[in-house]
Amino acid sequence: KAGVTQTPRYLIKTRGQQVTLSCSPISGHRSVSWYQQTPGQGLQFLFEYFSETQRNKGNFPGRFSGRQFSNSRSEMNVSTLELGDSALYLCASTPGGKGNTEAFFGQGTRLTVV
Amino acid sequence: DAKTTQPPSMDCAEGRAANLPCNHSTISGNEYVYWYRQIHSQGPQYIIHGLKNNETNEMASLIITEDRKSSTLILPHATLRDTAVYYCIVRYSGGSNYKLTFGKGTLLTVNP
Repeated sequence: KAGVTQTPRYLIKTRGQQVTLSCSPISGHRSVSWYQQTPGQGLQFLFEYFSETQRNKGNFPGRFSGRQFSNSRSEMNVSTLELGDSALYLCASTPGGKGNTEAFFGQGTRLTVV
Repeated sequence: DAKTTQPPSMDCAEGRAANLPCNHSTISGNEYVYWYRQIHSQGPQYIIHGLKNNETNEMASLIITEDRKSSTLILPHATLRDTAVYYCIVRYSGGSNYKLTFGKGTLLTVNP
């Protein structure tokens, strides 16, 4: 079956702009999590969505937001971009229920803010 | 989730076993040990997870000490394609939400 798909793969934006990234999970998976990876901070959890509801959130400013649609696809939005938002943004999908499962990650979106 | 400690880097000869250690001395009884790896600039890839028994799959083996305060990931016959950053993660699996707390991981370099 198809893996996790993230679009676009690469993006260049200017400071102050906003950006929307997309993630399509594995078919049947209802949970989508987002992570930011930078050289300085490593991989950090942004938030998780399940059945169109955010059920967990990391320690990021309100400029970072997300949503999930009824088909489980998710988008994350970053408003008023700063240079420090340059990072690899990864999403991961899991079935969403309780228990031990593995997370499947997409290839990421490389965002560069200039 | 409990904190984990891993060496920043390790080397291994191609064809030999790679043994990657992880300390998680504050792990609680309902927390699992997960291993993921990330090949340069790709998304992390799940390897294996376990609670207290040793686990093996087609990729690796996971050895967890009896007191559960440390574990070792074993790649039995390392290849050049196993060069990656390996993350040991402790995760509470009782809840329904899914969050992975990544540390800095171990950069494993497999040499020819």
